[in-house]
Amino acid sequence: GQNIDQPTEMTATEGAIVQINCTYQTSGFNGLFWYQQHAGEAPTFLSYNVLDGLEEKGRFSSFLSRSKGYSYLLLKELQMKDSASYLCAVSTGGSYIPTFGRGTSLIVHP
Amino acid sequence: DAGVTQSPTHLIKTRGQHVTLRCSPISGHKSVSWYQQVLGQGPQFIFQYYEKEERGRGNFPDRFSARQFPNYSSELNVNALLLGDSALYLCASSLVGVGTDTQYFGPGTRLTVL
Repeated sequence: GQNIDQPTEMTATEGAIVQINCTYQTSGFNGLFWYQQHAGEAPTFLSYNVLDGLEEKGRFSSFLSRSKGYSYLLLKELQMKDSASYLCAVSTGGSYIPTFGRGTSLIVHP
Repeated sequence: DAGVTQSPTHLIKTRGQHVTLRCSPISGHKSVSWYQQVLGQGPQFIFQYYEKEERGRGNFPDRFSARQFPNYSSELNVNALLLGDSALYLCASSLVGVGTDTQYFGPGTRLTVL
């Protein structure tokens, strides 16, 4: 089976930097996705990591260490609109169907 | 370009009834996946279809079924509804559903079972 672990909730201040961690225990790892989901809305794609290292995309960066089963999403220059749930999803197996974690609810306050 | 569309947006049913949810993928996408998301949880995989064939099935009872049509749209059917089926049902489309293929989600159908 697969086990994906994320913190349930985090809070941060507008303008600050926050790091959301994701650890996983899976077999047949193919890649790791990060999605953002605002309350009542569908998840939207943020990033995909298949190789070790850091992928930077504007204010958002995602890091992967396959040997440690660890990833993080780094959000810089936080804005109020970044308040959302952040979902870590791991793709495994021949069908590449991602398994989602429970999500981390990020609250950004002024 | 239109994104993934789902219908209906909201639905209220009673226990024992049947429901059909619909999804139209992004133009050019051939793979559709269905997920169930309960409040406070991440999406749980139900089915994946590619070129009208079932490619994967999650750990859901046989009351759940789906199909994909020649135009790549898809239906999710749930029979004998239970209170626990109340959730947000998400459809996601992708080009071929493998490798680095990114899934794009529709707005979801909020199902309430009374």
